[in-house]
Amino acid sequence: SQQGEEDPQALSIQEGENATMNCSYKTSINNLQWYRQNSGRGLVHLILIRSNEREKHSGRLRVTLDTSKKSSSLLITASRAADTASYFCATDISNFGNEKLTFGTGTRLTIIP
Amino acid sequence: DTGVSQDPRHKITKRGQNVTFRCDPISEHNRLYWYRQTLGQGPEFLTYFQNEAQLEKSRLLSDRFSAERPKGSFSTLEIQRTEQGDSAMYLCASSLGVFFPGEAFFGQGTRLTVV
Repeated sequence: SQQGEEDPQALSIQEGENATMNCSYKTSINNLQWYRQNSGRGLVHLILIRSNEREKHSGRLRVTLDTSKKSSSLLITASRAADTASYFCATDISNFGNEKLTFGTGTRLTIIP
Repeated sequence: DTGVSQDPRHKITKRGQNVTFRCDPISEHNRLYWYRQTLGQGPEFLTYFQNEAQLEKSRLLSDRFSAERPKGSFSTLEIQRTEQGDSAMYLCASSLGVFFPGEAFFGQGTRLTVV
């Protein structure tokens, strides 16, 4: 079953704009991760945020985590055509981490040149 | 190439046939995971190994599915008597292991089509 749900399911923006996607989950987590998947390919890890962290940055990416609301958001700033992909949040609910990940349904992001 | 590799990349098989997929994880990674992904959905967990020990299996992994990691290195996933519902992308991932929460590195996947 899918632990998380991403919102929106699909998003189209102009190149250079910022893209925000949200993830909600159901149970307490050890950490939450965001992955990118280009069409028909494997997943690429973007960023991990631990349950005791509230915000994390990596290049043009900013992730926030609100454990009280069981939600996370991923912000991509100054979007580029190469950012076109599906984005998934994944939760790790294990005690020590690195057991199974439970993925959401994904947000399909399209950057219009 | 030091990433996770999967073989084959594509497999077309007739219903009722057996298929086997292989995954070679990153060499120093103790944990190896199998996921299945259908079109428009996120990956769903199937099973994972710590070295050669299979620690958890999803209820999605019916009796027709078996996974092994005999020497704690590469892994195989076998599907017996394939059904059309088995058509999906099968993804393998590896990670450092317990006490090192971090990213899982995914392979490019094996796309299975059952006709």
